[in-house]
Amino acid sequence: KAGVTQTPRYLIKTRGQQVTLSCSPISGHRSVSWYQQTPGQGLQFLFEYFSETQRNKGNFPGRFSGRQFSNSRSEMNVSTLELGDSALYLCASSLDGLGGRSGIPEAFFGQGTRLTVV
Amino acid sequence: AQSVAQPEDQVNVAEGNPLTVKCTYSVSGNPYLFWYVQYPNRGLQFLLKYITGDNLVKGSYGFEAEFNKSQTSFHLKKPSALVSDSALYFCAVRDIENRDDKIIFGKGTRLHILP
Repeated sequence: KAGVTQTPRYLIKTRGQQVTLSCSPISGHRSVSWYQQTPGQGLQFLFEYFSETQRNKGNFPGRFSGRQFSNSRSEMNVSTLELGDSALYLCASSLDGLGGRSGIPEAFFGQGTRLTVV
Repeated sequence: AQSVAQPEDQVNVAEGNPLTVKCTYSVSGNPYLFWYVQYPNRGLQFLLKYITGDNLVKGSYGFEAEFNKSQTSFHLKKPSALVSDSALYFCAVRDIENRDDKIIFGKGTRLHILP
């Protein structure tokens, strides 16, 4: 079974530009979450999508947005990039919907996209 | 709101000694608890989970964790550390009884196993 796939692995962008990151979840998983990882802040929750609907959102500005398609693939977009957006962006998929009743409530992570803003 | 605390930024252990990485949590309902490990330039790998039942759960690579409800802790342990265990470890919690059900991570603990 293929794991979570994130593309691209590395990106270098200039301040003010926008960027789109892609995540393909494990087959059969309908929940996709995005996290920002930085050395100082650890893993910060961005948002979660389930069946094409944003179900949860973290405390990030509106420049960070996402969407999920009918095949559960998800994209994350960051507009008007700032230097502080440089980070490893991780995508995670899970089987469970709200309530976690499948017995497999854990998330499975992709290798991440390393975004550098210069 | 749910939260996770990992009180130690770094833990150093000699190879062959037992190791403990600490985690405490706060949720309004019954928690699902997880440990993940991250090696350099990689995503997070799932190690183990607690859902219900036996308070001692066993996971990958010889790791185990003990759920303590009264102390709201879920410490990660291994009887004999290996140099290859050196990595960044994250504790996480999910509160499925909360409308705001999502997985929240601690800030991570860097584990150094000294040869």
